[in-house]
Amino acid sequence: QQPVQSPQAVILREGEDAVINCSSSKALYSVHWYRQKHGEAPVFLMILLKGGEQKGHEKISASFNEKKQQSSLYLTASQLSYSGTYFCGSDAGGTSYGKLTFGQGTILTVHP
Amino acid sequence: GAVVSQHPSRVICKSGTSVKIECRSLDFQATTMFWYRQFPKQSLMLMATSNEGSKATYEQGVEKDKFLINHASLTLSTLTVTSAHPEDSSFYICSAEAFGTDTQYFGPGTRLTVL
Repeated sequence: QQPVQSPQAVILREGEDAVINCSSSKALYSVHWYRQKHGEAPVFLMILLKGGEQKGHEKISASFNEKKQQSSLYLTASQLSYSGTYFCGSDAGGTSYGKLTFGQGTILTVHP
Repeated sequence: GAVVSQHPSRVICKSGTSVKIECRSLDFQATTMFWYRQFPKQSLMLMATSNEGSKATYEQGVEKDKFLINHASLTLSTLTVTSAHPEDSSFYICSAEAFGTDTQYFGPGTRLTVL
């Protein structure tokens, strides 16, 4: 089942902050965050693993609540380059290890 | 590091023809590669998982005889869309997972248009 992202869209001015949420109905091994610009491939932002390990860009922060099966991506002091569609991908692990199910995406628009 | 390439970036073909898309990990070895399809303004949908030296595993609803996958080496996987039809037109994206990293890096995608 596809994780649910919220909000569906966010409009910011440069310098403002945003939070994007991702909620799954399944127990998760890991959550992956990507940003995709129009017509391009997704770019890896962060992975959050069960147990607390995180790997990703230094300027991106995220949280992963294993019990609630939720993850949040925190974008602070937004820049124009942050514009794009953000996807979370959930990995249930086990026999499905590595198979990402992506949310519907959150469109982020940053204006000057 | 962690660069994945795809070729071609765009392809237009006639209905009934076959199209091959290559996915390469340029600076790392990928024991596992994944193929996704993305329709306009929609999310990425996993089609199949490809492991080097073994048969690909396909997601429910994906025809394995139509979407042939070959993972010939630790750096190359190919997707062949056989007897393509207009409804196969989509953005096909591969990803590669470096061994032991849990992280998938995506290729730039291939836009397939079937006339």
